[in-house]
Amino acid sequence: EAGVVQSPRYKIIEKKQPVAFWCNPISGHNTLYWYRQNLGQGPELLIRYENEEAVDDSQLPKDRFSAERLKGVDSTLKIQPAELGDSAVYLCASSINNEQFFGPGTRLTVL
Amino acid sequence: AQSVTQLGSHVSVSEGALVLLRCNYSSSVPPYLFWYVQYPNQGLQLLLKYTTGATLVKGINGFEAEFKKSETSFHLTKPSAHMSDAAEYFCAVSENYGGSQGNLIFGKGTKLSVKP
Repeated sequence: EAGVVQSPRYKIIEKKQPVAFWCNPISGHNTLYWYRQNLGQGPELLIRYENEEAVDDSQLPKDRFSAERLKGVDSTLKIQPAELGDSAVYLCASSINNEQFFGPGTRLTVL
Repeated sequence: AQSVTQLGSHVSVSEGALVLLRCNYSSSVPPYLFWYVQYPNQGLQLLLKYTTGATLVKGINGFEAEFKKSETSFHLTKPSAHMSDAAEYFCAVSENYGGSQGNLIFGKGTKLSVKP
């Protein structure tokens, strides 16, 4: 069974540019999460989806971040415009039966 | 609000020695507790979890953790370290909403080094 797939794995952009990350969860997992992991820190939740509905986006900086999960399967997280402080690893996870499975993440570097 | 404290950002042990990674949590309701491992450039992998029942939980790769409510702790142990255990370990807590899991709150992580 394939795990959580994320792309790209690495992204380098200049500040003020837009960037998008894609996630395909494990088949059958209705819950999808986006986390941000800063260097030397644990992951912090950005947004949680139940099917196509965002049920918790309280930690998503809505002035520049947006996310969507059309059809309740794969999801896209976008930053526009990116700032230097957005450099981090962006992790996607999906869950079933109270267990979360994580993708390998996208490492974003903003110059 | 829930929080997790991992004592020691970096722990170094010799191969074959006991591994002890400390985790304390705060939660206003009975929690779910987790340990995850992260190898370089990889996502997090679940080592073990406590939900209900037996307080000593066994996980993969010979790791185990004990839930101690009186100490609000969930320390991770392994009797004998192996070189392949070198990685970063994250403790996490979530609220137990009558069997449904709330959002995960992670500690800052402990990097484990294993010396030959």
